[in-house]
Amino acid sequence: LAKTTQPISMDSYEGQEVNITCSHNNIATNDYITWYQQFPSQGPRFIIQGYKTKVTNEVASLFIPADRKSSTLSLPRVSLSDTAVYYCLVGAGGSYIPTFGRGTSLIVHP
Amino acid sequence: NAGVTQTPKFQVLKTGQSMTLQCAQDMNHEYMSWYRQDPGMGLRLIHYSVGAGITDQGEVPNGYNVSRSTTEDFPLRLLSAAPSQTSVYFCATRTGATNTEAFFGQGTRLTVV
Repeated sequence: LAKTTQPISMDSYEGQEVNITCSHNNIATNDYITWYQQFPSQGPRFIIQGYKTKVTNEVASLFIPADRKSSTLSLPRVSLSDTAVYYCLVGAGGSYIPTFGRGTSLIVHP
Repeated sequence: NAGVTQTPKFQVLKTGQSMTLQCAQDMNHEYMSWYRQDPGMGLRLIHYSVGAGITDQGEVPNGYNVSRSTTEDFPLRLLSAAPSQTSVYFCATRTGATNTEAFFGQGTRLTVV
């Protein structure tokens, strides 16, 4: 499984855009990049997934450069409720069992 | 549609006791897995199953047993609880299709005293 590296923590303020970058230098050709969000006392929930270029949904955008060795989760205009831990995962295929690192703890301040 | 249901939500055990954490899903997903999460840490994979009758070990399997007799249920058994097993346990499911998301239960907070 490709190893991922992401910042342990980040701070932001309400209304700002937050970008969390994840490094995955040994990503395999068939690997996808998936981000999960976890609130305190809850299980992680899926945010977004992509393979290359840019993916956008109602919650976030995911930017993946051509070499795919990193990816950036972008959260537009964060609010206090976006305070959570964000996990970057890399893997693929039907047999893939998600493996989590420590994630990035995002704290949004008023 | 309940999704992934874990019971109990909270449990206190004495060292040496055994118990079973329950996980049930109603999404007909082939893949089910158990994770534990310790304070300030990410989730670590304990055991997983890719279908009824098939289980395998994850990163931290010692002290835990699993079985998968039906698609819907994937219980996690603690054979002889130890304080080191104090943690929050999450069950997750996903389909076997490529690049599908995982769905998590709300967790079981276990304290071993």
